[in-house]
Amino acid sequence: KQEVTQIPAALSVPEGENLVLNCSFTDSAIYNLQWFRQDPGKGLTSLLLIQSSQREQTSGRLNASLDKSSGRSTLYIAASQPGDSATYLCAVYSGGSNYKLTFGKGTLLTVNP
Amino acid sequence: DTEVTQTPKHLVMGMTNKKSLKCEQHMGHRAMYWYKQKAKKPPELMFVYSYEKLSINESVPSRFSPECPNSSLLNLHLHALQPEDSALYLCASSQRTSGVETQYFGPGTRLLVL
Repeated sequence: KQEVTQIPAALSVPEGENLVLNCSFTDSAIYNLQWFRQDPGKGLTSLLLIQSSQREQTSGRLNASLDKSSGRSTLYIAASQPGDSATYLCAVYSGGSNYKLTFGKGTLLTVNP
Repeated sequence: DTEVTQTPKHLVMGMTNKKSLKCEQHMGHRAMYWYKQKAKKPPELMFVYSYEKLSINESVPSRFSPECPNSSLLNLHLHALQPEDSALYLCASSQRTSGVETQYFGPGTRLLVL
């Protein structure tokens, strides 16, 4: 059974700092990995999708990497802003079903002005 | 149109009520999903519809009844719920990207069962 772990569970940084969120998964036989952002009480916003054959994806100040063999992904946020404050969820498509996403518990990020 | 919409945004119901949640997308996606999310927890998959047919039911209690009337619409009918069913209910739809269904989520319905 696939398990996804995110470290740290919570992170508080001053504005302008670069930061890294970590995600690990137990079964390396994944299809894709997706990073989401969730604001309190809101739905999930897709940030980046990394295909299993890719090493990284970039969107603006965000960069996500994938090391499938070691079961790890990182989300790098450059020059953090208070508007980046949210919960960041990592999720993998795996387990023999094309439709099933396994989520980590998320990292709660607070960026202080 | 690149979004998934859900109505209502908030719902309060008693344990004897019958209510429905609605989800709509006009992106031509052929798979639609219901998730349940409790506070400070990740979303949990409930149901998956593919081409308007139920393909996955994650052993959800029968007091939750999904319906997919057409390819753009997904309903979740609620009856005789329990207070522990209070949660954020998220709908998603997906398109196939590199052989994998990539999911896009709606804003959710916040449900409170009294």
